Amino acid sequence: GENVEQHPSTLSVQEGDSAVIKCTYSDSASNYFPWYKQELGKRPQLIIDIRSNVGEKKDQRIAVTLNKTAKHFSLHITETQPEDSAVYFCAATRSGAGSYQLTFGKGTKLSVIP
Amino acid sequence: SAVISQKPSRDICQRGTSLTIQCQVDSQVTMMFWYRQQPGQSLTLIATANQGSEATYESGFVIDKFPISRPNLTFSTLTVSNMSPEDSSIYLCSVPHGHTDTQYFGPGTRLTVL
Repeated sequence: GENVEQHPSTLSVQEGDSAVIKCTYSDSASNYFPWYKQELGKRPQLIIDIRSNVGEKKDQRIAVTLNKTAKHFSLHITETQPEDSAVYFCAATRSGAGSYQLTFGKGTKLSVIP
Repeated sequence: SAVISQKPSRDICQRGTSLTIQCQVDSQVTMMFWYRQQPGQSLTLIATANQGSEATYESGFVIDKFPISRPNLTFSTLTVSNMSPEDSSIYLCSVPHGHTDTQYFGPGTRLTVL
């Protein structure tokens, strides 16, 4: 089955700096990679996702890059703000044939210091 | 995205008892997923609930411990049976967005077993 490794487990940045979280996956057939943000006591919220047919996707201050050859993908947050503080989870799945089962990384606790 | 609700939002239960968690979606979906999130941990898929067929369980989860019902395309229940303190977790349902692999989560049920 799929295995997703996520690093770092904790990350502290100064407000305004950038944050980068990296994930690697094991199944070369995986082709869909979402990122979720979970604030304390709340549900995971999808913030951005990428499919294997593109190498990069941006949405305002967040971006995700994908290297299929190396089997890793990264989340980039620029101009961090205190409200970016949360736990971030990457995930991977082999999309298609009605299969939507996500395998999650262990999470990264991001703290943005004002 | 679909509107997903769960009941109860939280509960405190005694060892040896069972709790049934409900997940309701405001639109018809073919699949519903049940996840467990142990304290400070990532999300682990328990099972996939399909309407009209038996649920499909992931390795380490069995039907006797986590029976699932899926009576129609908008509703599912997960029962945590014969509970022990190790079952203390947040239980979340999720559904795919339309016929895509994008998943959205319900608000979760926070279970504490004494």
